[in-house]
Amino acid sequence: QQQVKQSPQSLIVQKGGISIINCAYENTAFDYFPWYQQFPGKGPALLIAIRPDVSEKKEGRFTISFNKSAKQFSLHIMDSQPGDSATYFCAASGGGGADGLTFGKGTHLIIQP
Amino acid sequence: DAGITQSPRHKVTETGTPVTLRCHQTENHRYMYWYRQDPGHGLRLIHYSYGVKDTDKGEVSDGYSVSRSKTEDFLLTLESATSSQTSVYFCAIGYSNQPQHFGDGTRLSIL
Repeated sequence: QQQVKQSPQSLIVQKGGISIINCAYENTAFDYFPWYQQFPGKGPALLIAIRPDVSEKKEGRFTISFNKSAKQFSLHIMDSQPGDSATYFCAASGGGGADGLTFGKGTHLIIQP
Repeated sequence: DAGITQSPRHKVTETGTPVTLRCHQTENHRYMYWYRQDPGHGLRLIHYSYGVKDTDKGEVSDGYSVSRSKTEDFLLTLESATSSQTSVYFCAIGYSNQPQHFGDGTRLSIL
């Protein structure tokens, strides 16, 4: 059973546009929602994360929007640049344990110049 | 970059052989994790450790074992490798509900 559903699988955005990736979760015990960016041949790198006590978090061009009642969260990349082309993963964890992250299946983002 | 080193970075082996992957950290972090990454599946947790000699199973633990005899080293062993275990394996450090940092992975091919 997939606990974190991510969409779309792939996304093409023009340079300067807004990239939006969505995730939905099922486990109401989740209390930590990070986004990771991964370039080919490298490990995932933490981009930005949010906890459910806030509805939005912004760091530079990256914003997470969080809707606790709908159990959904999304990543917005403003002014998308070719260097943002990568695979993005949402994830979730919680429940007080140390049992790792549950990941979405990933979104392959291409920013066209 | 967090001080995480995975070895080997690439390995090709045959079905039925044992394989051990190593993750070494210099951050003195208590929590360490092994994930596998497959196309269309994202990353899935194999095993994790919450201290020396303290380990537990993740979502896809069948066919894998782990050991942690020192804080800095977390080993993943495939006792008898199968083609379904062809994957990219990532080690991570950090508590589950706080930032986790990943190594650059081991690409394992089982023929």
